[in-house]
Amino acid sequence: EAQVTQNPRYLITVTGKKLTVTCSQNMNHEYMSWYRQDPGLGLRQIYYSMNVEVTDKGDVPEGYKVSRKEKRNFPLILESPSPNQTSLYFCASSGSRRVESPLHFGNGTRLTVT
Amino acid sequence: AQSVTQLDSQVPVFEEAPVELRCNYSSSVSVYLFWYVQYPNQGLQLLLKYLSGSTLVKGINGFEAEFNKSQTSFHLRKPSVHISDTAEYFCAVSDPTNAGKSTFGDGTTLTVKP
Repeated sequence: EAQVTQNPRYLITVTGKKLTVTCSQNMNHEYMSWYRQDPGLGLRQIYYSMNVEVTDKGDVPEGYKVSRKEKRNFPLILESPSPNQTSLYFCASSGSRRVESPLHFGNGTRLTVT
Repeated sequence: AQSVTQLDSQVPVFEEAPVELRCNYSSSVSVYLFWYVQYPNQGLQLLLKYLSGSTLVKGINGFEAEFNKSQTSFHLRKPSVHISDTAEYFCAVSDPTNAGKSTFGDGTTLTVKP
């Protein structure tokens, strides 16, 4: 089954403790992206990757890091999480005809930073 | 830069009634338009998309949307809703001049009442 898999689904952590949210897709997609969803603000793009070793900032990159060493994986790293990063995070991927192709989303990771 | 405005944050409607969820966009270039649906505790799924051609596009679950270039709108409609249509709906645009970026509206929560 074609899918985007995020782990974990739920995560509670404390301020300053480094964490990684994993994302993997099995569709051989070149494009991957991270979003955060906050009430009333819709989805805001954090980082995206057009292909292996190619990443770029989205609208809200501060406090986040990403890497794309393999085509299927695109982990999101929070080096020193803060409470304002409490949010629902989504990973998404898309095929080669990027602008015409829809995004395929994971089921989300709900992060709480205390 | 592009932006997406979903004109209603919440739309309550009775079962079997028609519904329209409104989306306006702003862009200096031609864009591609998408509607996604998010059911509780899930990621977003594609409902339909407009790339070119006929301005009326049909999607899954009986939804359709009409692209109006002069009004820069892409409203989503369904002639008769079901309880199972209760979800959050997002309008999104992608920019052919910036392949990495998709811009989402803030979302509209559709609540279908029996």
